Amino acid sequence: AQSVTQPDIHITVSEGASLELRCNYSYGATPYLFWYVQSPGQGLQLLLKYFSGDTLVQGIKGFEAEFKRSQSSFNLRKPSVHWSDAAEYFCAVVPDNYGQNFVFGPGTRLSVLP
Amino acid sequence: GAVVSQHPSRVICKSGTSVKIECRSLDFQATTMFWYRQFPKQSLMLMATSNEGSKATYEQGVEKDKFLINHASLTLSTLTVTSAHPEDSSFYICSATPPPSYEQYFGPGTRLTVT
Repeated sequence: AQSVTQPDIHITVSEGASLELRCNYSYGATPYLFWYVQSPGQGLQLLLKYFSGDTLVQGIKGFEAEFKRSQSSFNLRKPSVHWSDAAEYFCAVVPDNYGQNFVFGPGTRLSVLP
Repeated sequence: GAVVSQHPSRVICKSGTSVKIECRSLDFQATTMFWYRQFPKQSLMLMATSNEGSKATYEQGVEKDKFLINHASLTLSTLTVTSAHPEDSSFYICSATPPPSYEQYFGPGTRLTVT
């Protein structure tokens, strides 16, 4: 079945440590790819997006993501995590034949230790 | 950047009453808006796609008569939960897309509690 997966439900890292959140999709063609962050009780904020071109994309708050076609992945990374990064992270995909509809992954909750 | 607002941010209502949630794009026109529902510690579930001037497109399993969507203008969509019951309690989030972008801008969400 076509889907978006985020294998890690919950990740805990120490402040200052590096971070990688995984996202895989199972749509045939290259979809549009997004990462959003959600703080408790809040809406979603766009971190970055990939439509085409350079496979390493830079986003806000020091985040970056790399699109790997061969692995159908779009992993989110940050070299040094801050306590304020603790939140829920969602990978989202617009499959090429779905119009504008997003398909969200299940989310990864990030906890940051002082 | 594009801003989407929702009102109210929180609402508590009694079982059997109806509740209206507004979603507005503040600085752009949105021909398409989306309504999502999010249960605690879960991902967003698309409920419906709202198109200005036409009927909304509902996802499978979403009751059209219970969740009434009206996209009255290019900057306003409303979701009315009719005859609400406790199981309708949830976090409702809207988003809007400024054409021709595929990027969705999300509202801050509305916490609905039905007692």
